Amino acid sequence: AQTIHQWPVAEIKAVGSPLSLGCTIKGKSSPNLYWYWQATGGTLQQLFYSITVGQVESVVQLNLSASRPKDDQFILSTEKLLLSHSGFYLCAWSLDWGVQDTQYFGPGTRLLVL
Amino acid sequence: SQLAEENSWALSVHEGESVTVNCSYKTSITALQWYRQKSGKGPAQLILIRSNEREKRNGRLRATLDTSSQSSSLSITATRCEDTAVYFCATYGSSGNKLIFGIGTLLSVKP
Repeated sequence: AQTIHQWPVAEIKAVGSPLSLGCTIKGKSSPNLYWYWQATGGTLQQLFYSITVGQVESVVQLNLSASRPKDDQFILSTEKLLLSHSGFYLCAWSLDWGVQDTQYFGPGTRLLVL
Repeated sequence: SQLAEENSWALSVHEGESVTVNCSYKTSITALQWYRQKSGKGPAQLILIRSNEREKRNGRLRATLDTSSQSSSLSITATRCEDTAVYFCATYGSSGNKLIFGIGTLLSVKP
C-alpha cells in the first residue's frame, strides 16, 4: 500500500529564517507530486507540481521554491520566511494527469511564522 | 477568481439527518471532484463525477452534476458525527495542470 509522509509535523519559525519541508511517497513509482498551501480556515492553493525527477513547475509565486531530488521525494523551501507563509502545507500525489486525476494528500505540516 | 465555489460557508445538522452541499462553477469542465477535509488532516477525495455523468454514488454519498446550470451537489444521508468536516468541490483549470478548490463548506453534525 502506498503511504505519504510529511515532515516535520509542525514548525514555529522566525521571520527571515530559512525553511525546508519534506514529503516522501512510498509504494508508488513515478508519481506526480504537488505542494499546496492552506491558510487557517481557507481553501487549498496549489503551489508547485512535478511530473518527474528534477522537474518542478511553479503554479503560484509565494517566495517559495520546490525541488524533486528523488522519484519519491518532494522538498519545499525558502531562504527567508515571511509572516504570510504561516499556514498548513500539504503534499499530494497522483498517477494520472489532468481532469480525470485523483490526488491523494498527506497529513500536512503546520507552520507558524512569528 | 474561483473556478468552483460552494454556496454555503457552513451547515449544521443532527445525526441521522440528510444534508446537501452545493457547488457552482464558472467554466466548462470535464470532471468535478468532491473532497472532504477533517480538522488537522489533509483532504480526501470522495467522488469524481465526469461531465457525461448526472449522478454518482459512494455509500451514503451522492453527487450530482448539472452542466447546463454549471452546478453540482453532494448529498449525505444518515449523517454521523464523524461526517463533521469541510467539504470542497474542485475542478481543473483550462490548462489542465492546476486543481482549483472552492472555498469549502464546514459541515457540523451534532449528536
